[in-house]
Amino acid sequence: NAGVTQTPKFQVLKTGQSMTLQCAQDMNHEYMSWYRQDPGMGLRLIHYSVGAGITDQGEVPNGYNVSRSTTEDFPLRLLSAAPSQTSVYFCASSWSGTGELFFGEGSRLTVL
Amino acid sequence: AQSVTQLGSHVSVSEGALVLLRCNYSSSVPPYLFWYVQYPNQGLQLLLKYTTGATLVKGINGFEAEFKKSETSFHLTKPSAHMSDAAEYFCAVSGNNFNKFYFGSGTKLNVKP
Repeated sequence: NAGVTQTPKFQVLKTGQSMTLQCAQDMNHEYMSWYRQDPGMGLRLIHYSVGAGITDQGEVPNGYNVSRSTTEDFPLRLLSAAPSQTSVYFCASSWSGTGELFFGEGSRLTVL
Repeated sequence: AQSVTQLGSHVSVSEGALVLLRCNYSSSVPPYLFWYVQYPNQGLQLLLKYTTGATLVKGINGFEAEFKKSETSFHLTKPSAHMSDAAEYFCAVSGNNFNKFYFGSGTKLNVKP
């Protein structure tokens, strides 16, 4: 059972480049979300989705786009990367109403 | 608005000693409270959660936490630390729809032999 799979694990971008972080889960979870983890700041919610076709903003959505065309996938897009987006990104999913998040192993992004 | 404060970014204990990690929250709605653990280079995993019912919650690996509404606290404890407990611990709060989670800044636990 793969759980939550994130790709790539590491990425280096130049300022202004675009990229997509992929997230897939095989647990049929309705709820999926993206967090960024920065030293001393814990995890902050970027965007979340409660089902296919439904997305909403979290605490720090600026500079990021998401879509949810299938239950399994929830990609995070950076349209024009900035150094402030250097971070570790985590995708998490859960069955709606349970509160137990299942996390991927993270994607470390560096923007030069 | 919801927020979480974890006192102490680093805590060091000896193996076999009591572990106490502090978490205070603020919430405008009845809170649901969580503790997650993160081992190096891994994602977070759930230790325990409080939603309703008994205020003393037991989790995995011998950890427990008590919800104290009057103190707006949800401190994590373990009677006897083990070397394998060394990790970073995050307290989190959510509203009753579990759509938005707010995490504290984390506490790194070091266990000395």
